[in-house]
Amino acid sequence: DAKTTQPPSMDCAEGRAANLPCNHSTISGNEYVYWYRQIHSQGPQYIIHGLKNNETNEMASLIITEDRKSSTLILPHATLRDTAVYYCIGNNAGNMLTFGGGTRLMVKP
Amino acid sequence: KAGVTQTPRYLIKTRGQQVTLSCSPISGHRSVSWYQQTPGQGLQFLFEYFSETQRNKGNFPGRFSGRQFSNSRSEMNVSTLELGDSALYLCASSLRQAYNEQFFGPGTRLTVL
Repeated sequence: DAKTTQPPSMDCAEGRAANLPCNHSTISGNEYVYWYRQIHSQGPQYIIHGLKNNETNEMASLIITEDRKSSTLILPHATLRDTAVYYCIGNNAGNMLTFGGGTRLMVKP
Repeated sequence: KAGVTQTPRYLIKTRGQQVTLSCSPISGHRSVSWYQQTPGQGLQFLFEYFSETQRNKGNFPGRFSGRQFSNSRSEMNVSTLELGDSALYLCASSLRQAYNEQFFGPGTRLTVL
């Protein structure tokens, strides 16, 4: 699995876009980038994943650089309920998700 | 559709005892994975079951074991409990093996005294 690096914490104002970066310079060609988040006292929640192209769903957008060495998760209009730890994972092994430290996002009013 | 359910939600045991945790996946999901989460080590993969067979295993001692039933429900067992086994144990289900869009349950909080 690719080693990923994320900032330990970030703040974001409510209603603004939250941009969470992730470096995965060792990612291999067939490894996807997955994003999960964990709200306090709950199990992790799948957000989005991508390989090369940018992806968007109802929760977020994922922007992957052309060289695939980094990506950014975008929450377009952050709310207080988006306060959570966000995990970026590079993986192709299947069901052996390796969670790192993640980024603790604090959305402030 | 009901989500992943785990029972019990909280458990207190003493050192040396054994414990069995249960997980019911989302209906139609055939793969179940188990994870351990502690403040020191974070989220760590324990094992994955698909079609009643263990398909992947993390780096945990043999005291940790599991099984999956024909209805995809899964149990994990920890024998000879140690203080360090205190953790949140999370179960996740997915449609098929080797599919990383996983749906997690709320977890079982195990405290070993």
